[in-house]
Amino acid sequence: AQSVAQPEDQVNVAEGNPLTVKCTYSVSGNPYLFWYVQYPNRGLQFLLKYITGDNLVKGSYGFEAEFNKSQTSFHLKKPSALVSDSALYFCAPSSSNYQLIWGAGTKLIIKP
Amino acid sequence: SQTIHQWPATLVQPVGSPLSLECTVEGTSNPNLYWYRQAAGRGLQLLFYSVGIGQISSEVPQNLSASRPQDRQFILSSKKLLLSDSGFYLCAWSPGQASANEKLFFGSGTQLSVL
Repeated sequence: AQSVAQPEDQVNVAEGNPLTVKCTYSVSGNPYLFWYVQYPNRGLQFLLKYITGDNLVKGSYGFEAEFNKSQTSFHLKKPSALVSDSALYFCAPSSSNYQLIWGAGTKLIIKP
Repeated sequence: SQTIHQWPATLVQPVGSPLSLECTVEGTSNPNLYWYRQAAGRGLQLLFYSVGIGQISSEVPQNLSASRPQDRQFILSSKKLLLSDSGFYLCAWSPGQASANEKLFFGSGTQLSVL
């Protein structure tokens, strides 16, 4: 069965420190990989995606993600966290029928 | 530019009552349309998707149904709501004829409470 794992239910980071939100997946073939962010009581917003090419993908709001094929991981990163980055983050690889497989989400809390 | 509208933002309904949530997209034609449910502010569950008028695919059997009466209109319905239907419902669209690398654009969601 195809699946995605976001092993951390919550990540706490001090403002100004680097952050990492982890994602690993088990999907056949070469899936496309997405990160979305959800602010409280809102819909999701697209952050970035990996299709092919450079393993480091840059996205919105200073976020980037590193694709690692051997580890089937797609971790979200940011060099310096802001309080406004506090939100719920979803990793979503595409499945074999082109639908997205959604992770359970990781709550990111940035403390001033 | 494209926009997606979803309403109402919040809804409180008694058990056994009907449901109709509406979603419309502007600024594009022949979009792919989606209904998701998000329980307890966590993972998303795809309920329905549509690649064209009258074409609805259901991902999970349940108490809900979807219809697409117009190209840019997607409606989520129920004849009789259950307590378990409570949740945050999200409508989304992606460009028509989309390949797997197209991103989704989400509406602002409807918080449904069934009491």
